[in-house]
Amino acid sequence: QLQLQESGPGPVKPSETLSLTCTVSGVSLASSPDYWGWIRQPPGKGLEWIGSIYYSGSTYYNPSLRSRVSISADTSKNQFSLRLTSVTAADTAVYYCARHSGDYSSGWYGPTDAWGRGTLVAVSS
Amino acid sequence: ETVMTQSPATLSLSPGEGASLSCRASQAIGTNLAWYQQKPGLAPRLLLYGASTRATGIPARFSGSGSGTEFTLTISSLQSEDFAVYYCQQYANWPPSYTFGQGTKLEIK
Repeated sequence: QLQLQESGPGPVKPSETLSLTCTVSGVSLASSPDYWGWIRQPPGKGLEWIGSIYYSGSTYYNPSLRSRVSISADTSKNQFSLRLTSVTAADTAVYYCARHSGDYSSGWYGPTDAWGRGTLVAVSS
Repeated sequence: ETVMTQSPATLSLSPGEGASLSCRASQAIGTNLAWYQQKPGLAPRLLLYGASTRATGIPARFSGSGSGTEFTLTISSLQSEDFAVYYCQQYANWPPSYTFGQGTKLEIK
């Protein structure tokens, strides 16, 4: 059974870099045709897609965050990671890692069909 | 970027009543639309995809319709566990990208 678990170092100071890792269990990133991504939700607000990756390294980012975001995958650990640079208070949110259904080889992708439990990252001095 | 607009922002209904939630896309997205339910403190749960296909384990009282730019999520007879926030999400563009509506809060009247 697929499980996703976010982990990270905790609060981040303004202007620093936010780093999170998602550990995937039950499915091998290297064997899955799906995409894997990050979605965030500021307290009391809606959902915002941050970006997604296919395990081989193809990445896709929200244009509004592209200059500050990078997503990478480590198939040896069955993990993928998020880095968000130059954070401000506006980046305070619950960050979810997720699976997006799809088939990279055929160029098809679909909805977000599995989510981690989310981790709250606060940006504060 | 495709902007998704949901209405109403809040819907107040009683258990047993039917609910109709709307989602509009700023440009045509075919049927590349999903609906999610989110309860406080939990991750969203996929309800419907392809505008009208129920995800695994979703009760039949949840149904979806629409294509192009206008979509509707219908809940036929509200149960107590259905009161939550509902989001629509489009996944029509290439390269892959997603945008969500701002959500509709379904609350008990």
